[in-house]
Amino acid sequence: DSGVTQTPKHLITATGQRVTLRCSPRSGDLSVYWYQQSLDQGLQFLIQYYNGEERAKGNILERFSAQQFPDLHSELNLSSLELGDSALYFCASSVGLAESSTDTQYFGPGTRLTVL
Amino acid sequence: DQQVKQNSPSLSVQEGRISILNCDYTNSMFDYFLWYKKYPAEGPTFLISISSIKDKNEDGRFTVFLNKSAKHLSLHIVPSQPGDSAVYFCAASAQGSGNTGKLIFGQGTTLQVKP
Repeated sequence: DSGVTQTPKHLITATGQRVTLRCSPRSGDLSVYWYQQSLDQGLQFLIQYYNGEERAKGNILERFSAQQFPDLHSELNLSSLELGDSALYFCASSVGLAESSTDTQYFGPGTRLTVL
Repeated sequence: DQQVKQNSPSLSVQEGRISILNCDYTNSMFDYFLWYKKYPAEGPTFLISISSIKDKNEDGRFTVFLNKSAKHLSLHIVPSQPGDSAVYFCAASAQGSGNTGKLIFGQGTTLQVKP
């Protein structure tokens, strides 16, 4: 158990809909990262938050957005869903900004999103 | 542009033998490398990491070697056990001020350890 929790575990929805994925980081961790794992691709970095502020963006679509709340949990919002958005979405957390060589990211169990 | 590559999609070894998983990278700014293990329906589990100031890091049965000049790293598992059967991901990041620590992952290598 990494200490990172994600809900829900599974999500089935229809095209055009909007969903919210939730992540609670490990106790004491200030950074939250979101990654997407599609069938035909490896883990792709989406976005990072540090202590409530957006720090970095990767291959995140404009239809997707995220935020980190004062209690440090994070939500990833996916809207106008398409079939190709079906994937595993992982959240990871780390202590802080990546200025330490020991700032390892620990991953949650993921949310499997299926868009029908 | 795949900055981190794991060229072997799969590897099969006998229990008790050594497993060697390889990873190549192209971005010379990477200075921190990690290996994660992933079972089906679970998130990646951190295994071992290495900073670019080192060329070897060992933790129990797991050793990671880094060859900066070749931009190559490898994970050695000795002795291999059936419970090691999983997908192994190599990941890289650029640490330090101005960088974010986002991880760039390879495509993964599926390791099967046969009893």
